[in-house]
Amino acid sequence: KAGVTQTPRYLIKTRGQQVTLSCSPISGHRSVSWYQQTPGQGLQFLFEYFSETQRNKGNFPGRFSGRQFSNSRSEMNVSTLELGDSALYLCASSLVVGSYEQYFGPGTRLTVT
Amino acid sequence: AQSVTQPDIHITVSEGASLELRCNYSYGATPYLFWYVQSPGQGLQLLLKYFSGDTLVQGIKGFEAEFKRSQSSFNLRKPSVHWSDAAEYFCAVGAQNQAGTALIFGKGTTLSVSS
Repeated sequence: KAGVTQTPRYLIKTRGQQVTLSCSPISGHRSVSWYQQTPGQGLQFLFEYFSETQRNKGNFPGRFSGRQFSNSRSEMNVSTLELGDSALYLCASSLVVGSYEQYFGPGTRLTVT
Repeated sequence: AQSVTQPDIHITVSEGASLELRCNYSYGATPYLFWYVQSPGQGLQLLLKYFSGDTLVQGIKGFEAEFKRSQSSFNLRKPSVHWSDAAEYFCAVGAQNQAGTALIFGKGTTLSVSS
């Protein structure tokens, strides 16, 4: 069974631009969570989607948003990029909403210049 | 508030030696605990998990962890380290807030293996 896939793997953007990252969960998994990883703050929860609805949200500004499609694929969007948004963005999938057993993708490395 | 502390930022172990990575958690209810490993440029791989039952849990790659409620700890161990174990290790607790559930991670411990 294929694992979680994320595209693109690397991205360079300019401050003020917006970016969209994509995540395809493990086949059969219906919940997708997003995390931000930075050297200073570590791994922080962004949000969780299930059945095309946001089920939980971490403490991030409204510039960070996401959505989920009927096939469980998910995208996250960051608008008006700031230098501090440079991070590894990790997507994790689980069978159902609220499951702590999450399987992570390789991440998208976003660099904001 | 729920939190996870990994006291050691960096550990160096000789190849073949035993390993113990420390993890302490703060959580009011029965915790769901995890260890993940991250190799450079990669995502997180689940090593093992504790939900309930036997406090000694076995994982992949020869790792094990012991849940000690009295010490609020969930330390990761391996009897003999291989050079390929060099990576960053994260302890996490499954936490629930008003909105839902999420994993709360420690800051990680970087493991170096010397020959």
